[in-house]
Amino acid sequence: NAGVTQTPKFQVLKTGQSMTLQCAQDMNHEYMSWYRQDPGMGLRLIHYSVGAGITDQGEVPNGYNVSRSTTEDFPLRLLSAAPSQTSVYFCASRSPSGSRETQYFGPGTRLLVL
Amino acid sequence: AQSVTQPDIHITVSEGASLELRCNYSYGATPYLFWYVQSPGQGLQLLLKYFSGDTLVQGIKGFEAEFKRSQSSFNLRKPSVHWSDAAEYFCAVGLTDSWGKLQFGAGTQVVVTP
Repeated sequence: NAGVTQTPKFQVLKTGQSMTLQCAQDMNHEYMSWYRQDPGMGLRLIHYSVGAGITDQGEVPNGYNVSRSTTEDFPLRLLSAAPSQTSVYFCASRSPSGSRETQYFGPGTRLLVL
Repeated sequence: AQSVTQPDIHITVSEGASLELRCNYSYGATPYLFWYVQSPGQGLQLLLKYFSGDTLVQGIKGFEAEFKRSQSSFNLRKPSVHWSDAAEYFCAVGLTDSWGKLQFGAGTQVVVTP
């Protein structure tokens, strides 16, 4: 298993540009989520999905869109990038509920918006 | 309001010495509790988790954590620190009805000196 993969690893955008951060998992996990990490603030939940076709907002959803057309993929879209979206973005997926449930994180995407 | 607090932003410890990282939470009910570690430029790795049962939880890399309901705390400990333990550590909580939506503390940076 590759686990949770994210592309790209690094990205530089200009204000107003759009882009999609890709996230994929090969563990057949129903639950996936996106977090952003900023210095001194830990990780904050942006959006999450409990299965294909079902998404919901997290703590900091503004400026981001998501969709979940397949179990494997959960892309995060920035429609019009702003400097405040400069951050490190982590995708995560969760194993089924029960005593072995845990959340697996991808390696992250570093985004700089100029 | 629900919150997760890691009071120590930065800790310096000598190699071979013991380490304790503090985590306090404020939630209406007992949440699921996690400790993650992040090495520089890397994603997050789960060290241990508490759902129920024994309040002393053993994790990977020689770490353990103790859940104290009366103090709303979930402190992480290691008896003897190795240089490779230098990293940032995050406490996270999830609600029992939707634990996949994790709320993270701001993190504690651990520096290990020779």
